[in-house]
Amino acid sequence: AQSVTQLGSHVSVSEGALVLLRCNYSSSVPPYLFWYVQYPNQGLQLLLKYTSAATLVKGINGFEAEFKKSETSFHLTKPSAHMSDAAEYFCAVSEKGNNRLAFGKGNQVVVIP
Amino acid sequence: GAVVSQHPSWVICKSGTSVKIECRSLDFQATTMFWYRQFPKQSLMLMATSNEGSKATYEQGVEKDKFLINHASLTLSTLTVTSAHPEDSSFYICSARVTGTETQYFGPGTRLLVL
Repeated sequence: AQSVTQLGSHVSVSEGALVLLRCNYSSSVPPYLFWYVQYPNQGLQLLLKYTSAATLVKGINGFEAEFKKSETSFHLTKPSAHMSDAAEYFCAVSEKGNNRLAFGKGNQVVVIP
Repeated sequence: GAVVSQHPSWVICKSGTSVKIECRSLDFQATTMFWYRQFPKQSLMLMATSNEGSKATYEQGVEKDKFLINHASLTLSTLTVTSAHPEDSSFYICSARVTGTETQYFGPGTRLLVL
């Protein structure tokens, strides 16, 4: 079964600094990978997804992620953090033919002014 | 595009009552919808997969008689928490998969508080 590992439940970043959230996956077949963002008391919003096309994926709000098969990783980055980026971020994986999404534990991002 | 709504957003009920939560895909058809449960400061736990016109598939440990799921149309799935108890209090989130893709779009969630 597929799974995702996100280390470090809380991530603090200074406003204007690089945001880097790490995601490593486990999958027996080529995966589909997703990053979602959740603001307090809201559902999840899709930031970006990898579905076997370009390995560098650009998403909304200036975020991007790179699929690296050799490292089984799909790390999320943003060059310059903004106060509005403070939220919970979830990495998720699914497999072709399997509808189920497996989520990581999430990273709570705090942006320091 | 790809908007999913949930109703209600908040519900408070007495122990022993049943609560129905609706999940709608507003601008696309979804043959498959999913129901998740999220505890405070935790990740999402998949409860069940809802397929239009057929019985839902429940994850291990989820009581199907307690969490009734109906997916009667391509845009609507409902989750009914029967005989709710305080331990059922949680944040319930649904998602809908765009037919023919692997992408799930999520509703805003329903917070249930059972007194």
